[in-house]
Amino acid sequence: QKEVEQNSGPLSVPEGAIASLNCTYSDRGSQSFFWYRQYSGKSPELIMSIYSNGDKEDGRFTAQLNKASQYVSLLIRDSQPSDSATYLCAVNPPDSSYKLIFGSGTRLLVRP
Amino acid sequence: NAGVMQNPRHLVRRRGQEARLRCSPMKGHSHVYWYRQLPEEGLKFMVYLQKENIIDESGMPKERFSAEFPKEGPSILRIQQVVRGDSAAYFCASSPARTEAFFGQGTRLTVV
Repeated sequence: QKEVEQNSGPLSVPEGAIASLNCTYSDRGSQSFFWYRQYSGKSPELIMSIYSNGDKEDGRFTAQLNKASQYVSLLIRDSQPSDSATYLCAVNPPDSSYKLIFGSGTRLLVRP
Repeated sequence: NAGVMQNPRHLVRRRGQEARLRCSPMKGHSHVYWYRQLPEEGLKFMVYLQKENIIDESGMPKERFSAEFPKEGPSILRIQQVVRGDSAAYFCASSPARTEAFFGQGTRLTVV
């Protein structure tokens, strides 16, 4: 089992819709969770971090964490074509506050 | 405030040559991390350095790879005697402490 799993996609949504990206992780003791956005050929860009159960909102983005289910998600409201990218879920393992374990990413396509 | 600066952006090496990848962290950041991204895969942690110290090199291949972060100057990831399997994007990230990391644009290494 991979440590951090994501559906590779592509996830295709129409412009203006809500895009829902999901991620599961295997290590129950993980404490910190991050979502990065990566455009093709570019660097990963940190868009959200979440540390406690529940929702965290920042503009059009909402991160949701459920530690009991070992599940973290990212919702993008009012999706725009410029949101089309690969979204990487990353987790700090419990024995390391600095190392990031990445999923392989979900490719999001927002159709105009 | 300039971001994490990596150079070169693209590097082509013949099999058996050496590759040197440079990373200057963001101003005020003393923690540097190197990650490798193989085609169609997520990022994999390689090494974590602070000034003049290697903190964690658990993700580095045992042979041919080395990293340093001298007191003065950029961090260097060095790959000796490159092979085709070393072709990948190498990303450097930095942080002010063991917190959220910000990534550079990456160096895309092609071994021919």
